[in-house]
Amino acid sequence: EVQLVESGGGLVQPGGSLRLSCAASGFTFTTYSMKWVRQAPGKGLEWVSYISSSGAIISYADSVKGRFTISRDNAKNSLYLQMISLRAEDTAVYYCAVSGWYSWDGMDVWGQGTTVTVSS
Amino acid sequence: SYVLPQPPSVSVAPGKTARITCGGNNIGSKNVQWYQQKPGQAPVLVVYDDRDRPSGIPERFSGSNSGNTATLTISRVEAGDEADYYCQVWDTTDHRGLFGGGTKLTVL
Repeated sequence: EVQLVESGGGLVQPGGSLRLSCAASGFTFTTYSMKWVRQAPGKGLEWVSYISSSGAIISYADSVKGRFTISRDNAKNSLYLQMISLRAEDTAVYYCAVSGWYSWDGMDVWGQGTTVTVSS
Repeated sequence: SYVLPQPPSVSVAPGKTARITCGGNNIGSKNVQWYQQKPGQAPVLVVYDDRDRPSGIPERFSGSNSGNTATLTISRVEAGDEADYYCQVWDTTDHRGLFGGGTKLTVL
């Protein structure tokens, strides 16, 4: 069974940092690209970042570019999102998702999410 | 910038057909995905590549995409289909994703 488990969320002050993790199991992690998506309270879904299966291709939403860094450790079947200079508008549930299981263009399976709250 | 307008809400009686649209300039040239999200839960992929269903998704869920409109059709709607539905496309050149604003489906 494909499973994604996010962790690392919490309460952080504006300007602070957090590192989110996503542990993958039930599939060959090295074969698939991965994405981060977030959802602010009461709002819709927002794509945040993408990393290819090898890590060679990386992209970010304009709203986080320069502040967030996506990475993966294929040996540990893990995906990461390093977030710095956090702002109140970064408050959201952050989901990791795998792509390529059904479609390279979508988010085929999602984790349960981890909550990030940026507040003083 | 590219946007994907969706109606904020759609209401339908049980057993009827619900249609949720997703607009976009020449969206017919892109692959469209649809996600179902129930309160407090993570999104679930219900349609990918315009019209294909992941395993475990009922045949009542179908998709189409042409011109400037993609559509998610839910036939024989059930109470359990009540949820928010999001369309999504991917820019294969820049490797960037985009979601529609979401549509709240209410089953009367």
